[in-house]
Amino acid sequence: AQSVTQLGSHVSVSEGALVLLRCNYSSSVPPYLFWYVQYPNQGLQLLLKYTSAATLVKGINGFEAEFKKSETSFHLTKPSAHMSDAAEYFCAVSDRYSGGYQKVTFGTGTKLQVIP
Amino acid sequence: NAGVMQNPRHLVRRRGQEARLRCSPMKGHSHVYWYRQLPEEGLKFMVYLQKENIIDESGMPKERFSAEFPKEGPSILRIQQVVRGDSAAYFCASSPTPDNEQFFGPGTRLTVL
Repeated sequence: AQSVTQLGSHVSVSEGALVLLRCNYSSSVPPYLFWYVQYPNQGLQLLLKYTSAATLVKGINGFEAEFKKSETSFHLTKPSAHMSDAAEYFCAVSDRYSGGYQKVTFGTGTKLQVIP
Repeated sequence: NAGVMQNPRHLVRRRGQEARLRCSPMKGHSHVYWYRQLPEEGLKFMVYLQKENIIDESGMPKERFSAEFPKEGPSILRIQQVVRGDSAAYFCASSPTPDNEQFFGPGTRLTVL
């Protein structure tokens, strides 16, 4: 069975400071890993995904994440926080099932607050 | 290309009533996924459908819940005899192929009084 654990349900950073959102995964097979962002009353938007190519994945809006197999981690970072980054962020994992479809398992989310 | 559409965005039902949630996938997408987000929790997979077929319903409660994706029209998630514990946000996602990125709709927030 696959799962993800997001450390910290709420994270606050100052505008311009480093953003670090933590995610650890558990999977019995090489995983696909994702970060999604959810703005209030909206659906989820894919920030980036890891699919076994480069371990450092660059996404939209200046975010990136590094896959570390030895640590089973996929932490999300951004060098400089912007007010518009305030949202909820979900880490997710999927395996490929028979038929090749993705059954995605989400973490519980981290709400990012950006302080002016 | 319009995104995934879900309606209604908000739905209020009294205990015992039926709730019908609709999802129109992106144009050209024939794979639909439903997820449920309970308060303060992450999204949980419920069901995966292709046109006219349920492929994986392992996340669906055994009773009162059903889903369909007919040849014509939107996918429907139906909850019969709703209870307070069904209050949640229900998200639909679609993809053009099964192993492709899933695009999410804005969700339907169901409140059961």
